[in-house]
Amino acid sequence: NAGVTQTPKFQVLKTGQSMTLQCAQDMNHEYMSWYRQDPGMGLRLIHYSVGAGITDQGEVPNGYNVSRSTTEDFPLRLLSAAPSQTSVYFCASRRGTYNSPLHFGNGTRLTVT
Amino acid sequence: DAKTTQPPSMDCAEGRAANLPCNHSTISGNEYVYWYRQIHSQGPQYIIHGLKNNETNEMASLIITEDRKSSTLILPHATLRDTAVYYCIVRASTSGTYKYIFGTGTRLKVLA
Repeated sequence: NAGVTQTPKFQVLKTGQSMTLQCAQDMNHEYMSWYRQDPGMGLRLIHYSVGAGITDQGEVPNGYNVSRSTTEDFPLRLLSAAPSQTSVYFCASRRGTYNSPLHFGNGTRLTVT
Repeated sequence: DAKTTQPPSMDCAEGRAANLPCNHSTISGNEYVYWYRQIHSQGPQYIIHGLKNNETNEMASLIITEDRKSSTLILPHATLRDTAVYYCIVRASTSGTYKYIFGTGTRLKVLA
């Protein structure tokens, strides 16, 4: 049981490039979400999904797209990277039960130059 | 959205109990309080959660006041490995779905 797996661990992009951050969980969790973490800002919710085929925006969705075609995977796409998207990105999942806690991956550190 | 307030930093001597406070005065009746910690640049680690009763597990204890407007996370015998940023979270309900809103947390430093 690997939990929440994020790839890659590190990535450097040039402004305007696109890429996809991968997130997979093997716990059959219904709910998945993406956060970004910047110094002094805590974790901020980007997008989330309550099940396959269903996604919604969080606090800071601009510049990011998501889709949820399977229960296991929840990729985050940057269509045209900007320096403001330099951050550490965390994926998290939980069961659909009302009070279930989130389980986090170990993050992807992204630098946009 | 329910919000939480935590002190930005605290120190604790190794072997002593670490008591981390959190205010959540706008919490709703059915909202749980969750605690996570983040060690260095790893992903946040779940510690404990509760609704209104005190809770204890192998990592920590959670004390929630009777009016539910504040809570305290207790690490009974802090070790150097407990040095981390601790987040208190009240899940926010929006349009029938629930979001976890993280604040900036408390940076706990355990001193040898």
